[in-house]
Amino acid sequence: GENVEQHPSTLSVQEGDSAVIKCTYSDSASNYFPWYKQELGKGPQLIIDIRSNVGEKKDQRIAVTLNKTAKHFSLHITETQPEDSAVYFCAARGHSNFGNEKLTFGTGTRLTIIP
Amino acid sequence: KAGVTQTPRYLIKTRGQQVTLSCSPISGHRSVSWYQQTPGQGLQFLFEYFSETQRNKGNFPGRFSGRQFSNSRSEMNVSTLELGDSALYLCASSRLAGGPTGELFFGEGSRLTVL
Repeated sequence: GENVEQHPSTLSVQEGDSAVIKCTYSDSASNYFPWYKQELGKGPQLIIDIRSNVGEKKDQRIAVTLNKTAKHFSLHITETQPEDSAVYFCAARGHSNFGNEKLTFGTGTRLTIIP
Repeated sequence: KAGVTQTPRYLIKTRGQQVTLSCSPISGHRSVSWYQQTPGQGLQFLFEYFSETQRNKGNFPGRFSGRQFSNSRSEMNVSTLELGDSALYLCASSRLAGGPTGELFFGEGSRLTVL
């Protein structure tokens, strides 16, 4: 099955600086890569996703890049703000002819923005 | 539009007991997935239901079971509780079952403590 590794497990950056979180996946058939943000006491919420036919996607201060050859994808947050402090999860979804593929999550990155 | 609702939010059980958790998906969503979240392990997939049928199952022992009702509401049950079952159990609904377009919408979770 799919295996997703995520690094780093914790990350502290000064407010205004950029943050980068990296993930690798094992199943070359995976074709959907979402990123979720989990704030304290809440469930994860989708913030951005990318599909295998795209190399990069941006949404305001966040961007995701995908390297299918190397089987890794990254989340980039620019101009970080205190409200960016949260746990971030990457995930990968494989493809099958049965339509029952599931999301496999990384172990999470706790991002702390230092004012 | 109401989000995913999970009940109860917090519960304490003792070893050997059993527990039932409930999840009401977003109106119109027919797919419900369950995840176990523990520190350091991220989100571990338990199972997914679509139209009352289990479509996918993770690598958990048979003590973990679930079901989905005709109104798409879902329950999961854990029998013979062990200390290691202490975790946040997250339910997620999506409009579609699996597939690259099935964005997951998570509830806030049920935090289970086993003493």
